[in-house]
Amino acid sequence: AQSVTQLGSHVSVSEGALVLLRCNYSSSVPPYLFWYVQYPNQGLQLLLKYTSAATLVKGINGFEAEFKKSETSFHLTKPSAHMSDAAEYFCAVSDHTGGFKTIFGAGTRLFVKA
Amino acid sequence: DAGVTQSPTHLIKTRGQQVTLRCSPKSGHDTVSWYQQALGQGPQFIFQYYEEEERQRGNFPDRFSGHQFPNYSSELNVNALLLGDSALYLCASSLVGHDNREQYFGPGTRLTVT
Repeated sequence: AQSVTQLGSHVSVSEGALVLLRCNYSSSVPPYLFWYVQYPNQGLQLLLKYTSAATLVKGINGFEAEFKKSETSFHLTKPSAHMSDAAEYFCAVSDHTGGFKTIFGAGTRLFVKA
Repeated sequence: DAGVTQSPTHLIKTRGQQVTLRCSPKSGHDTVSWYQQALGQGPQFIFQYYEEEERQRGNFPDRFSGHQFPNYSSELNVNALLLGDSALYLCASSLVGHDNREQYFGPGTRLTVT
């Protein structure tokens, strides 16, 4: 069975500082991995996805993530936080066995201090 | 290009009642998935519809049922509502055969059960 663990329900950074949101996955088959962002009272927006191509994936808004199979990790980073990055971030995993069933982590709330 | 739309935006129901939520997929998409997002949690997969049939189902009771229409739109029905059914219900659409497992999410329907 697939699962996702996001380390840290809340992360606080200063504006301009590095953002690092951690995600570890469990999957018996090669996974597809995703990061989504959710702003208050809104749906989910895809930030980036890993689909077995390049292990370093670049997404929107300056975010990127690196797939590390040996560590079963897919951590999300951004070199310099902006106030507008404050939101809830979800890591998710899907598999190759058909369909689009996606398993989400519990989420990490990012706070950005001025 | 219209994205995923959901209706209604909010609704309040009483325990024991029944509710129907609606979703129109992104133009060109043929698959609809439904997720339940309780407060402070990640989305949980309910089920997925393709070609008007339920293709996959998560760990939800039979009180949760759905339908997909020939135009690919979908409904989620919940019978005998419980207080624990209060959540944000998200609809996501995708395209079968598009091998990147990317889903587009709607803004959600906020259901409150009193």
